[in-house]
Amino acid sequence: GQQVMQIPQYQHVQEGEDFTTYCNSSTTLSNIQWYKQRPGGHPVFLIQLVKSGEVKKQKRLTFQFGEAKKNSSLHITATQTTDVGTYFCAGPSGNTPLVFGKGTRLSVIA
Amino acid sequence: NAGVTQTPKFRILKIGQSMTLQCTQDMNHNYMYWYRQDPGMGLKLIYYSVGAGITDKGEVPNGYNVSRSTTEDFPLRLELAAPSQTSVYFCASSYSTGHLAEKLFFGSGTQLSVL
Repeated sequence: GQQVMQIPQYQHVQEGEDFTTYCNSSTTLSNIQWYKQRPGGHPVFLIQLVKSGEVKKQKRLTFQFGEAKKNSSLHITATQTTDVGTYFCAGPSGNTPLVFGKGTRLSVIA
Repeated sequence: NAGVTQTPKFRILKIGQSMTLQCTQDMNHNYMYWYRQDPGMGLKLIYYSVGAGITDKGEVPNGYNVSRSTTEDFPLRLELAAPSQTSVYFCASSYSTGHLAEKLFFGSGTQLSVL
């Protein structure tokens, strides 16, 4: 079945440093979604990318969807302590529910 | 709107006991899902439903059952609890646009321990 892989699994950064997490799918995706889960919380939708090569920005967060629609990245500029949490990518394959990656846990040291 | 509401928030079961995790949503979403989250393992789909009376298995359905008698409710049943079912369970729902790729709205989760 479809697999969605994320790297790295963990990332520790100093506050103010940049952070990037990468997502790769074994199959072509119709769209890719990113979620954030704060410690002890539930996943919250951040964004959805649909078009090949699409780039979207949300303040300090930049999301990219690969040209082949099999990979994606999330980049955070100048991390803050409020960025702490686990970031998940997720994608469907055909008309199936979302398959989630294992997530990247971000720690920010003040 | 309350969104997606799950109960209970925490539960400890003994091996072999049964229980039902409740999930209700007030957004009139036809699509609902149950995921489990183990530490460092992401979210795995247990069951999903595209409407009342329709359910389908996900990646890890063994040991669980679901029913969908109304649009609002999607309970998850554990019949004979096993330690391997210790996990955090999330219910989610999504808009009904004809495909299963819409964004998910998650409940706050149920932390279940089976001892």
